[in-house]
Amino acid sequence: AQRVTQPEKLLSVFKGAPVELKCNYSYSGSPELFWYVQYSRQRLQLLLRHISRESIKGFTADLNKGETSFHLKKPFAQEEDSAMYYCALSGRSFQKLVFGTGTRLLVSP
Amino acid sequence: DVKVTQSSRYLVKRTGEKVFLECVQDMDHENMFWYRQDPGLGLRLIYFSYDVKMKEKGDIPEGYSVSREKKERFSLILESASTNQTSMYLCASSPIRGQVYEQYFGPGTRLTVT
Repeated sequence: AQRVTQPEKLLSVFKGAPVELKCNYSYSGSPELFWYVQYSRQRLQLLLRHISRESIKGFTADLNKGETSFHLKKPFAQEEDSAMYYCALSGRSFQKLVFGTGTRLLVSP
Repeated sequence: DVKVTQSSRYLVKRTGEKVFLECVQDMDHENMFWYRQDPGLGLRLIYFSYDVKMKEKGDIPEGYSVSREKKERFSLILESASTNQTSMYLCASSPIRGQVYEQYFGPGTRLTVT
């Protein structure tokens, strides 16, 4: 079965510190990985997907098939990055999204 | 700009009541989804639909049903609400049939069953 694991419920850092939100997945096929973000009082929205290989709001994520990971990174955290982050998995054999349990990022001044 | 709207932001119902949650999208998207969002459990898929009058069970369909009579509207029905269905319910849509693409989410309905 497909599964996404986000081991940290809460990640607390100071402004300017590097951030890494961990995501590991379980899927035997070719995965598509996404990061979604939900800011306070806002709807859930796509942050980035591995296929696009973009940097959005300073965040990047690299798919590592050997380690089955898709960690989200940012070199210098900002207070406005505080939000709930969800990693999600999809694949050709199951055309839906499987979400992890989420990590709340708190960036303090 | 894609707009996904949900009929209520907050809803309080009594145990045993029949509850309807409505979702409407205005971008002619093929796919629509219903999730529930619970702390520590993330988002769990309840039902989804790739076409009008078509539905597929997600991971936690028990106690729920859905209806999609028109392309833009996807309803979630709790036949007999129970306290363990107290949750945040999120609707989402995506454009291309059978393909997982970016999903656009509604603002959510916080349902409390007393």
